[in-house]
Amino acid sequence: GAVVSQHPSWVICKSGTSVKIECRSLDFQATTMFWYRQFPKQSLMLMATSNEGSKATYEQGVEKDKFLINHASLTLSTLTVTSAHPEDSSFYICSAPGSSSSYEQYFGPGTRLTVT
Amino acid sequence: QKEVEQNSGPLSVPEGAIASLNCTYSDRVSQSFFWYRQYSGKSPELIMSIYSNGDKEDGRFTAQLNKASQYVSLLIRDSQPSDSATYLCAVTYNNNDMRFGAGTRLTVKP
Repeated sequence: GAVVSQHPSWVICKSGTSVKIECRSLDFQATTMFWYRQFPKQSLMLMATSNEGSKATYEQGVEKDKFLINHASLTLSTLTVTSAHPEDSSFYICSAPGSSSSYEQYFGPGTRLTVT
Repeated sequence: QKEVEQNSGPLSVPEGAIASLNCTYSDRVSQSFFWYRQYSGKSPELIMSIYSNGDKEDGRFTAQLNKASQYVSLLIRDSQPSDSATYLCAVTYNNNDMRFGAGTRLTVKP
């Protein structure tokens, strides 16, 4: 149980275009999901917390107008990178929390974004 | 400021040895503590979770937590080449806010 999927697993796009990444909880409902970004040889950095039915909460320094998050249902959150630039190339990973008593996070497999 | 710090490594141990990974955290209201393993190009996978002071053992892995010292460690016994990966220490604060350390790269040499 507790499987999180992401789509696509990798994407290459041209500078200036937008890319949407989907994160789904396959066998459980997630009112909250988290989006992380990881640059090579660096740790995961929390970008934003996605909340079902309400606005996402962004971490300091993350542009909310550039990284659009929509959590339209209890099993789906999407991250859209708008007007992508080469510096946005990174590994994007989503996660969803387990039970409220464990605080464990279940991670998706990640999406490798390359902006040319 | 909430911070999770790990020894940067890289850490290299021979096959069969014990690998010791350390982590400190800066906020006393931390609730849960996790060790994740991450292979290159993959997302993290949970190795151990620990919530109370003391030791927790699972197979070859032992997590140790000392809340007074704000310290959590992971011991890997009988290290195998397949254990070679980056190990991330994670601390959860209120409302599932999980923060990661920079990770320690472990290499187990045959």
